[in-house]
Amino acid sequence: EILLTQSPATLSLSPGERATLSCVASQSFTGSYLAWYQQKPGLAPRLLIYDASDRATGIPDRFSGSGSGTDFTLTISSLEPEDFAVYYCQQYGVSPRTFGQGTRVEIK
Amino acid sequence: QVQLVQSGAEVKKPGSSVKVSCKASGGIFRNYAINWVRQAPGQGLEWMGGIVTMYNTANYAQKFQDRVTITADESTTTAYMELSSLTSQDTAVYYCARTHWNGPSDFWGQGTLVTVSS
Repeated sequence: EILLTQSPATLSLSPGERATLSCVASQSFTGSYLAWYQQKPGLAPRLLIYDASDRATGIPDRFSGSGSGTDFTLTISSLEPEDFAVYYCQQYGVSPRTFGQGTRVEIK
Repeated sequence: QVQLVQSGAEVKKPGSSVKVSCKASGGIFRNYAINWVRQAPGQGLEWMGGIVTMYNTANYAQKFQDRVTITADESTTTAYMELSSLTSQDTAVYYCARTHWNGPSDFWGQGTLVTVSS
């Protein structure tokens, strides 16, 4: 099973600042099959990024993903008030699909 | 518009089973997989397994292998997740998600809270 380690656990930032979230895999997997999801309290996760760097439909371009192999990054270029949430990475290159433990982006 | 609508909250006794449904609309059901993901209170997301609806084949996370059964009914575009031998550790919100073959989960159900309590 591939373990995904997200850091930091919590990111305290102000609106307008840049957020950089990390996701490191315990081993590399096929085809950069990594997704990022955003989750707000009481709601289902929302797909932001897939295949490491492709934005899902309707996702603003302030969200970007990068990386390959075992190291992946989600960047939010300028935080909007609605971006404060928990973010999860997920790999789907190897079964079982696994999630990272999440990074909470909170208002400083 | 793709929608996944799940069945309502459940309260179950330890040792019993629960079956959660997930009705899909707005897409071609057989072209996707349905995955199930759970989230315990205050915790992260945990992938349980999924079913490729076209072939009606399921695979499961090893942790749940002997307790979970995921099925799909193409005629009603509904997927089901049944979890047996429930314990308090199974108290969680259970989500279904439309999932691309070798791809991400792009549409999610609203979640079903399952509470296991004596």
